[in-house]
Amino acid sequence: NAGVTQTPKFRILKIGQSMTLQCTQDMNHNYMYWYRQDPGMGLKLIYYSVGAGITDKGEVPNGYNVSRSTTEDFPLRLELAAPSQTSVYFCASSGGGAEAYNEQFFGPGTRLTVL
Amino acid sequence: GESVGLHLPTLSVQEGDNSIINCAYSNSASDYFIWYKQESGKGPQFIIDIRSNMDKRQGQRVTVLLNKTVKHLSLQIAATQPGDSAVYFCALSNDYKLSFGAGTTVTVRA
Repeated sequence: NAGVTQTPKFRILKIGQSMTLQCTQDMNHNYMYWYRQDPGMGLKLIYYSVGAGITDKGEVPNGYNVSRSTTEDFPLRLELAAPSQTSVYFCASSGGGAEAYNEQFFGPGTRLTVL
Repeated sequence: GESVGLHLPTLSVQEGDNSIINCAYSNSASDYFIWYKQESGKGPQFIIDIRSNMDKRQGQRVTVLLNKTVKHLSLQIAATQPGDSAVYFCALSNDYKLSFGAGTTVTVRA
């Protein structure tokens, strides 16, 4: 199993540009998450999904959009990039059930810089 | 929302000694309390969790203690090894979502 894969690993955007961060998991997990991590900080939840066709906002959703058309894929869209979106983005997935969602499996991250 | 903080942002430990990483939280409605480890350049990795009705849980070389009276969580690592050098995050879970603290950077001295 590859686990959770993310592309690209690095990206530099100009202000106002758009891009999609890709995330794929091969563990057949229903739950998927997008986080951002700013330097020296913990992770902030952007969006999450409890299954295909279902998405919901997390703590910091402004400036982002997501979709979940399949169990495996959970892309994150930035429409109009701003310097405040410079961060490392992590995708994660977990199984369902009482305790299973405590163990989230994270991808390697995408380092995004907006200039 | 949840508020999760840590007592110390950094911790330096001699190899072979025990490490204790502390975490304070403000909302005690969480079902589980969890510890994650993040090595440099990688995504976080689950270490151990503890249910809110427990006060201690042991894993392999790790022990998590929960004191709900003072809203305090700690992670103890026995016989710290160089591979334990990482950033450690505590997290609270509610409704299949996690709220992470800022992290403690643990450096192991040879």
